[in-house]
Amino acid sequence: DIVMTQGVLPNPVPSGESASITCRSSKSLVYKDGKTYLNWFLQRPGQSPQLLTYWMSTRASGVSDRFSGSGSGTYFTLKISRVRAEDAGVYYCQQVREYPLTFGSGTKLEIK
Amino acid sequence: QVQLQQSGAELVKPGSSVKISCKASGYTFTSYDMHWIKQQPGNGLEWIGWIYPGNGNTKYNQKFNGKATLTADKSSSTAYMQLSSLTSEDSAVYFCARHSGGLDYWGQGVMVTVSS
Repeated sequence: DIVMTQGVLPNPVPSGESASITCRSSKSLVYKDGKTYLNWFLQRPGQSPQLLTYWMSTRASGVSDRFSGSGSGTYFTLKISRVRAEDAGVYYCQQVREYPLTFGSGTKLEIK
Repeated sequence: QVQLQQSGAELVKPGSSVKISCKASGYTFTSYDMHWIKQQPGNGLEWIGWIYPGNGNTKYNQKFNGKATLTADKSSSTAYMQLSSLTSEDSAVYFCARHSGGLDYWGQGVMVTVSS
């Protein structure tokens, strides 16, 4: 199985600052079609996860452009610009390159 | 608008089975995979499998072979997951989620508690 390893944030992050969340995969997530099969989710306390980006850098419908995904085949970053209180929660990366689909263990973001 | 409405919380005994539902509305049910995800208390997310309601095709995480069975009823636009031979390790919140690019719409989750 592909192992997804997420970094830790130096919490809390002051409101208005930027935050970068990292995720590393044990195998390249680039498929032969050229797409990178990496998704990002935010799970706010007591809520279901929300899709932020897919194919590494495509923002999901209705997601603020403050969220941007980038990376290479095995190392990925979700950057959040000008963080707000509503951005607090746990962020998960997920690989959909091969089965079984796997998630990272999550990165908690707290806002000051 | 797209909605996935899941059934209510379940308290079940060890060794028994439970079937939870996910009723879809606001889109063509038969045109999108429906995925199921497990989240144990305080833990991360674990992918169980998907079903394509259009033809009933399924794909499972091997870890859940024999544990989870996914079905779908086109007439009611409802996806189901049955969990069998329940143990305390199956106590968790279970989500359904539609796949379109990514898992773009999620149900509210069903808490399953396995206890005697």
